[in-house]
Amino acid sequence: KQEVTQIPAALSVPEGENLVLNCSFTDSAIYNLQWFRQDPGKGLTSLLLIQSSQREQTSGRLNASLDKSSGRSTLYIAASQPGDSATYLCAVRRNYGQNFVFGPGTRLSVLP
Amino acid sequence: GAVVSQHPSWVICKSGTSVKIECRSLDFQATTMFWYRQFPKQSLMLMATSNEGSKATYEQGVEKDKFLINHASLTLSTLTVTSAHPEDSSFYICSASGDSRDNEQFFGPGTRLTVL
Repeated sequence: KQEVTQIPAALSVPEGENLVLNCSFTDSAIYNLQWFRQDPGKGLTSLLLIQSSQREQTSGRLNASLDKSSGRSTLYIAASQPGDSATYLCAVRRNYGQNFVFGPGTRLSVLP
Repeated sequence: GAVVSQHPSWVICKSGTSVKIECRSLDFQATTMFWYRQFPKQSLMLMATSNEGSKATYEQGVEKDKFLINHASLTLSTLTVTSAHPEDSSFYICSASGDSRDNEQFFGPGTRLTVL
Protein backbone atom coordinates (compact mmCIF):
# COMPACT_ATOMS: atom_id res chain seq x y z
CA LYS A 1 0.00 0.00 0.00
CA GLN A 2 1.37 3.36 -1.06
CA GLU A 3 2.22 5.78 1.74
CA VAL A 4 3.25 9.38 1.25
CA THR A 5 5.05 11.46 3.83
CA GLN A 6 6.04 15.10 3.81
CA ILE A 7 8.76 16.89 5.73
CA PRO A 8 8.62 19.29 7.42
CA ALA A 9 5.06 19.31 8.73
CA ALA A 10 5.27 23.08 9.19
CA LEU A 11 7.72 25.75 8.14
CA SER A 12 7.99 29.44 8.91
CA VAL A 13 10.42 31.60 6.95
CA PRO A 14 11.05 35.30 6.39
CA GLU A 15 10.05 36.77 3.08
CA GLY A 16 12.63 36.39 0.31
CA GLU A 17 14.07 33.08 1.41
CA ASN A 18 14.42 30.11 -0.91
CA LEU A 19 12.96 26.95 0.54
CA VAL A 20 12.58 23.24 -0.14
CA LEU A 21 9.65 21.02 0.72
CA ASN A 22 10.17 17.28 0.75
CA CYS A 23 7.91 14.40 -0.23
CA SER A 24 8.61 10.69 0.06
CA PHE A 25 6.60 7.72 -1.17
CA THR A 26 7.04 4.06 -0.36
CA ASP A 27 6.15 2.46 -3.71
CA SER A 28 8.28 3.74 -6.57
CA ALA A 29 5.94 2.29 -9.20
CA ILE A 30 4.06 5.52 -9.84
CA TYR A 31 2.32 6.95 -12.89
CA ASN A 32 2.83 10.55 -11.90
CA LEU A 33 3.29 12.90 -8.96
CA GLN A 34 1.59 16.21 -8.43
CA TRP A 35 2.11 19.13 -6.08
CA PHE A 36 -0.90 21.10 -4.90
CA ARG A 37 -1.48 24.18 -2.83
CA GLN A 38 -4.40 24.48 -0.44
CA ASP A 39 -5.41 27.70 1.26
CA PRO A 40 -7.36 27.46 4.56
CA GLY A 41 -10.92 26.28 3.97
CA LYS A 42 -10.41 26.09 0.21
CA GLY A 43 -9.94 23.46 -2.45
CA LEU A 44 -6.78 22.38 -4.22
CA THR A 45 -4.75 24.42 -6.67
CA SER A 46 -2.54 22.35 -8.94
CA LEU A 47 1.05 23.61 -9.00
CA LEU A 48 3.17 21.11 -10.89
CA LEU A 49 2.56 17.70 -12.43
CA ILE A 50 5.52 15.39 -13.06
CA GLN A 51 5.05 12.27 -15.15
CA SER A 52 6.98 9.18 -14.12
CA SER A 53 9.35 9.56 -17.06
CA GLN A 54 10.24 13.13 -16.14
CA ARG A 55 12.85 14.41 -13.68
CA GLU A 56 11.54 17.89 -13.02
CA GLN A 57 9.01 20.56 -13.88
CA THR A 58 9.22 24.31 -13.49
CA SER A 59 6.64 27.05 -13.28
CA GLY A 60 7.71 30.56 -12.38
CA ARG A 61 9.36 30.51 -8.95
CA LEU A 62 8.48 26.85 -8.43
CA ASN A 63 10.56 23.85 -9.37
CA ALA A 64 9.63 20.26 -8.59
CA SER A 65 11.98 17.33 -8.99
CA LEU A 66 11.26 13.63 -9.02
CA ASP A 67 13.59 10.76 -8.18
CA LYS A 68 11.35 7.79 -8.70
CA SER A 69 13.90 5.13 -7.81
CA SER A 70 14.46 6.59 -4.35
CA GLY A 71 10.81 7.52 -3.86
CA ARG A 72 11.39 11.23 -3.42
CA SER A 73 10.25 14.55 -4.75
CA THR A 74 11.13 18.07 -3.74
CA LEU A 75 9.34 21.34 -4.31
CA TYR A 76 11.66 24.32 -4.47
CA ILE A 77 10.20 27.78 -3.96
CA ALA A 78 12.46 30.68 -4.86
CA ALA A 79 12.25 34.13 -3.30
CA SER A 80 9.29 33.28 -1.10
CA GLN A 81 6.49 35.81 -0.61
CA PRO A 82 3.77 36.17 2.04
CA GLY A 83 1.26 35.14 -0.62
CA ASP A 84 2.95 31.74 -0.76
CA SER A 85 1.64 30.97 2.74
CA ALA A 86 -0.55 27.88 2.44
CA THR A 87 -0.46 24.12 2.89
CA TYR A 88 1.42 22.27 0.17
CA LEU A 89 0.32 18.74 -0.64
CA CYS A 90 2.21 16.09 -2.54
CA ALA A 91 0.22 13.30 -4.17
CA VAL A 92 1.07 10.25 -6.28
CA ARG A 93 -0.89 8.02 -8.65
CA ARG A 94 0.00 4.40 -9.28
CA ASN A 95 -1.55 3.95 -12.68
CA TYR A 96 -3.53 5.59 -15.43
CA GLY A 97 -7.12 5.97 -14.26
CA GLN A 98 -6.38 5.54 -10.59
CA ASN A 99 -6.77 7.84 -7.62
CA PHE A 100 -4.22 10.00 -5.90
CA VAL A 101 -2.66 9.10 -2.58
CA PHE A 102 -1.96 12.30 -0.68
CA GLY A 103 0.71 13.21 1.81
CA PRO A 104 -0.21 15.01 5.04
CA GLY A 105 1.03 18.34 3.74
CA THR A 106 3.52 21.00 4.76
CA ARG A 107 2.05 24.15 6.28
CA LEU A 108 4.13 27.11 5.09
CA SER A 109 4.11 30.57 6.60
CA VAL A 110 6.11 33.31 4.91
CA LEU A 111 6.53 36.27 7.19
CA PRO A 112 6.66 39.81 5.77
CA GLY B 1 -6.98 23.11 -17.57
CA ALA B 2 -10.42 21.60 -17.45
CA VAL B 3 -13.00 22.76 -14.93
CA VAL B 4 -14.79 20.73 -12.29
CA SER B 5 -17.52 22.32 -10.20
CA GLN B 6 -19.17 21.24 -6.97
CA HIS B 7 -22.49 22.25 -5.55
CA PRO B 8 -23.18 23.35 -2.93
CA SER B 9 -19.94 24.91 -1.75
CA TRP B 10 -21.11 24.63 1.82
CA VAL B 11 -24.10 23.14 3.59
CA ILE B 12 -25.35 22.98 7.17
CA CYS B 13 -27.91 20.35 8.07
CA LYS B 14 -29.52 18.76 11.06
CA SER B 15 -28.51 15.35 12.31
CA GLY B 16 -30.52 12.60 10.64
CA THR B 17 -31.12 14.38 7.36
CA SER B 18 -29.64 13.50 3.99
CA VAL B 19 -27.45 15.79 1.91
CA LYS B 20 -26.63 15.53 -1.78
CA ILE B 21 -23.41 16.94 -3.23
CA GLU B 22 -22.97 17.34 -6.98
CA CYS B 23 -19.74 17.15 -8.92
CA ARG B 24 -19.75 18.28 -12.55
CA SER B 25 -17.13 18.29 -15.27
CA LEU B 26 -17.93 21.44 -17.24
CA ASP B 27 -15.89 21.08 -20.40
CA PHE B 28 -14.90 17.45 -20.72
CA GLN B 29 -16.36 14.00 -20.35
CA ALA B 30 -15.36 12.43 -17.06
CA THR B 31 -15.16 8.68 -17.37
CA THR B 32 -13.92 8.40 -13.80
CA MET B 33 -14.70 10.50 -10.76
CA PHE B 34 -13.20 10.23 -7.31
CA TRP B 35 -14.60 11.36 -3.99
CA TYR B 36 -12.22 12.40 -1.22
CA ARG B 37 -12.86 13.49 2.33
CA GLN B 38 -10.71 15.84 4.37
CA PHE B 39 -11.10 16.23 8.12
CA PRO B 40 -9.76 19.39 9.80
CA LYS B 41 -5.98 19.66 9.69
CA GLN B 42 -5.71 16.33 7.90
CA SER B 43 -4.99 15.35 4.34
CA LEU B 44 -7.36 14.05 1.70
CA MET B 45 -8.47 10.45 1.96
CA LEU B 46 -10.11 8.59 -0.90
CA MET B 47 -13.67 7.50 -0.19
CA ALA B 48 -14.72 5.94 -3.46
CA THR B 49 -14.11 5.70 -7.18
CA SER B 50 -16.96 5.90 -9.65
CA ASN B 51 -16.99 5.09 -13.33
CA GLU B 52 -19.80 6.29 -15.53
CA GLY B 53 -22.59 3.73 -15.67
CA SER B 54 -21.06 1.43 -13.07
CA LYS B 55 -21.39 0.97 -9.34
CA ALA B 56 -18.89 2.88 -7.26
CA THR B 57 -15.95 1.15 -5.63
CA TYR B 58 -15.62 2.11 -1.98
CA GLU B 59 -12.47 2.20 0.11
CA GLN B 60 -12.23 0.02 3.17
CA GLY B 61 -14.05 1.56 6.10
CA VAL B 62 -16.38 3.70 3.99
CA GLU B 63 -20.02 2.62 4.33
CA LYS B 64 -21.57 2.34 0.89
CA ASP B 65 -25.10 2.49 2.29
CA LYS B 66 -24.32 5.74 4.06
CA PHE B 67 -22.42 7.44 1.25
CA LEU B 68 -24.42 6.84 -1.91
CA ILE B 69 -22.58 7.62 -5.10
CA ASN B 70 -24.23 7.91 -8.50
CA HIS B 71 -22.31 8.54 -11.73
CA ALA B 72 -25.15 8.42 -14.21
CA SER B 73 -23.63 10.62 -16.91
CA LEU B 74 -20.21 11.56 -18.23
CA THR B 75 -20.46 15.00 -16.65
CA LEU B 76 -22.14 14.42 -13.31
CA SER B 77 -21.51 12.41 -10.18
CA THR B 78 -23.42 12.82 -6.93
CA LEU B 79 -22.55 11.91 -3.36
CA THR B 80 -25.46 11.60 -0.96
CA VAL B 81 -24.69 11.47 2.74
CA THR B 82 -27.66 9.66 4.23
CA SER B 83 -28.80 10.13 7.82
CA ALA B 84 -25.92 12.51 8.44
CA HIS B 85 -24.38 12.75 11.89
CA PRO B 86 -21.95 15.30 13.36
CA GLU B 87 -19.02 12.95 12.73
CA ASP B 88 -19.76 13.22 9.00
CA SER B 89 -18.89 16.92 9.14
CA SER B 90 -15.98 17.30 6.78
CA PHE B 91 -14.71 18.84 3.56
CA TYR B 92 -15.70 16.70 0.57
CA ILE B 93 -13.71 17.09 -2.65
CA CYS B 94 -14.33 15.39 -5.98
CA SER B 95 -11.97 14.96 -8.88
CA ALA B 96 -12.60 13.90 -12.43
CA SER B 97 -10.57 12.50 -15.29
CA GLY B 98 -11.35 11.69 -18.88
CA ASP B 99 -9.65 9.72 -21.60
CA SER B 100 -6.97 12.26 -22.42
CA ARG B 101 -3.49 10.99 -23.16
CA ASP B 102 -2.16 12.04 -19.75
CA ASN B 103 -5.38 11.15 -17.92
CA GLU B 104 -4.95 14.29 -15.84
CA GLN B 105 -7.27 14.62 -12.86
CA PHE B 106 -9.04 17.89 -12.16
CA PHE B 107 -10.31 18.76 -8.72
CA GLY B 108 -13.49 20.47 -7.71
CA PRO B 109 -13.45 23.35 -5.18
CA GLY B 110 -14.87 21.19 -2.40
CA THR B 111 -18.03 21.16 -0.29
CA ARG B 112 -17.95 21.97 3.40
CA LEU B 113 -20.55 19.87 5.25
CA THR B 114 -21.49 20.74 8.82
CA VAL B 115 -23.95 18.48 10.61
CA LEU B 116 -25.51 19.94 13.74
